[in-house]
Amino acid sequence: DAKTTQPPSMDCAEGRAANLPCNHSTISGNEYVYWYRQIHSQGPQYIIHGLKNNETNEMASLIITEDRKSSTLILPHATLRDTAVYYCIVRRIWGLGTSLAVNP
Amino acid sequence: GAVVSQHPSRVICKSGTSVKIECRSLDFQATTMFWYRQFPKQSLMLMATSNEGSKATYEQGVEKDKFLINHASLTLSTLTVTSAHPEDSSFYICSATREGQGKNIQYFGAGTRLSVL
Repeated sequence: DAKTTQPPSMDCAEGRAANLPCNHSTISGNEYVYWYRQIHSQGPQYIIHGLKNNETNEMASLIITEDRKSSTLILPHATLRDTAVYYCIVRRIWGLGTSLAVNP
Repeated sequence: GAVVSQHPSRVICKSGTSVKIECRSLDFQATTMFWYRQFPKQSLMLMATSNEGSKATYEQGVEKDKFLINHASLTLSTLTVTSAHPEDSSFYICSATREGQGKNIQYFGAGTRLSVL
C-alpha cells in the first residue's frame, strides 16, 4: 500500500511561508498526491492535488519532485487560521499528518 | 461548490441504543461516499465505501452488522451505529466524491461526535 511520511509537527511565524514536506517513495506512476487539512474537531478540508507537475491554487502551492517520491505543500503567507493538521494522502491512506502551529 | 452536510454534529446516547448519522451532498451528485472514524490524536480510519444503489464495501475489521450503511440516492448516505456501546464513542466523518474532473477529491462533512454512556 502506498504510504506517506510526514514530520509530526512544525512551527511557522505568521506572515511567513510554511513549507510542509511529505515523503511518498512507494507511489505508483499514475497515483495522485492529495493534501488535506483538519482544523481541530472538524472534518478535513481539501487543499490541492497533483500528479507530477507543480500545482497552485488560491490556497497553496504543491511542489512535486521529478522522481515523484516526495512533495512539499507551501502556504505562502501563513495566518493563525492555518493552524491545523495537514495530511498528505496517496491512495486514500491517512497517516498522522503534520500538526502545523502558526505563531503570532 | 462541493458542500457536504453531516448531521447530527453531536450525539449523546445510552448504551444499547442505535444512532443514525446522515451525510448529504448539497450541490453535487456523489458517485461514492466514505465513512471514517477518528479517535483522539489519531488519524482517520476508513470504515466503509458506499456507492448509490449497491452494498457498501467494509474495511477489514469493521462489523457490517454493527455499522449499517445505506446509500439510497446520489446525495444521501446514512450510517447507523446499532446497539452502541461506550467503545463506539468516536468522531465519525463522511466524505463524498463526484463525477468529472477531480473526481477523486473527497469533500468532507463536519463530523459527528458520538458519546455513548
